[in-house]
Amino acid sequence: GAGVSQTPSNKVTEKGKYVELRCDPISGHTALYWYRQSLGQGPEFLIYFQGTGAADDSGLPNDRFFAVRPEGSVSTLKIQRTERGDSAVYLCASSLMRDTEAFFGQGTRLTVV
Amino acid sequence: GENVEQHPSTLSVQEGDSAVIKCTYSDSASNYFPWYKQELGKGPQLIIDIRSNVGEKKDQRIAVTLNKTAKHFSLHITETQPEDSAVYFCAASITGGSYIPTFGRGTSLIVHP
Repeated sequence: GAGVSQTPSNKVTEKGKYVELRCDPISGHTALYWYRQSLGQGPEFLIYFQGTGAADDSGLPNDRFFAVRPEGSVSTLKIQRTERGDSAVYLCASSLMRDTEAFFGQGTRLTVV
Repeated sequence: GENVEQHPSTLSVQEGDSAVIKCTYSDSASNYFPWYKQELGKGPQLIIDIRSNVGEKKDQRIAVTLNKTAKHFSLHITETQPEDSAVYFCAASITGGSYIPTFGRGTSLIVHP
């Protein structure tokens, strides 16, 4: 596809469960970002990858959150022991390189019940 | 870290009127200011951006202004149309660094036909 693809589009999980959210960036884009967006708020930075490495993970709220990008393309955001407060839309964005326009996916809406 | 304030949170205008959204930022090192439009169920989409070496940029009905001294920037939409209705986010970042935009909380623009 031409754009950033995120799967699933919606995820409902029970409190305490483990979830994985997937992001397929635009082909060739080296920079990848994860953001979290709560209702009525702007996107909140979580983690930034340059290639395979996490260049900045200062936005991850705690050690229950982890993200990987093993081959420098697809990225997975992993949340352990989910809590109701984790409910939000998780957005992924990619850019050709650092300092160029970031393109966002449509997001994954996570609901923890 | 950077802090971006955005006002108003909601803006209601009649079709054909102008709309202005204002943002302030805290980090004087910020030098790149993108604006995003987010429609329901979609990810944010870049509509216009401005860098610190210019004071104004225009693209058809959309214009952005930047006042570096006062650390504020604004989005101006003229001749508004119903399809302009969406949530608009301003952001600020530092190019040459990790280029991680910090977003404002968003403005819900409603254009009444």
